[in-house]
Amino acid sequence: NAGVTQTPKFQVLKTGQSMTLQCAQDMNHNSMYWYRQDPGMGLRLIYYSASEGTTDKGEVPNGYNVSRLNKREFSLRLESAAPSQTSVYFCASSVGMGSGSINEQFFGPGTRLTVL
Amino acid sequence: DQQVKQNSPSLSVQEGRISILNCDYTNSMFDYFLWYKKYPAEGPTFLISISSIKDKNEDGRFTVFLNKSAKHLSLHIVPSQPGDSAVYFCAAHDNAGNNRKLIWGLGTSLAVNP
Repeated sequence: NAGVTQTPKFQVLKTGQSMTLQCAQDMNHNSMYWYRQDPGMGLRLIYYSASEGTTDKGEVPNGYNVSRLNKREFSLRLESAAPSQTSVYFCASSVGMGSGSINEQFFGPGTRLTVL
Repeated sequence: DQQVKQNSPSLSVQEGRISILNCDYTNSMFDYFLWYKKYPAEGPTFLISISSIKDKNEDGRFTVFLNKSAKHLSLHIVPSQPGDSAVYFCAAHDNAGNNRKLIWGLGTSLAVNP
């Protein structure tokens, strides 16, 4: 099992360019997440998908869109990249987000994005 | 305002000694707490968790203690090894609503010196 995979690993964009970060999991998890990590800011939730067919905003959704393509895949799109979106982006998945279970999340290796 | 606080950005200990990483929280409705470990250029990995109905959970060299009255938990690593050098994140289960998210602390960078 590969777990959670992310592509690309690195990306450099110019201000105003668009791109899509891809994420896939092979653990049959229902829930998926996109986080960004900035120095001194910890992990901040951008968007999440509690189950296939649903997506919801997290703590810092502005400037991003997401698509839950199927149960395995959850993509993050930057329509018009800005220098403030320079960050490390992590995708994660978990069995579910409902009550009665620990929401243990499994993370991908991250995408390091620089916006010039 | 941060609901999960890790007030020490960094910690340095000698190999073989105990490492104690602390975490404070403000929301008494949190029902689970998790610790994650993160190496540079990798994603966080789950380390250990504790339910709010317990006060201790142990897994090998790692023990987490929970003091609900003080809204405080700590991760003990005994004995510390150089391979434990990483950033440690404390996270709490937000029990509000149908979709239970994790609320994250800012992390503590642990350096274990040989």
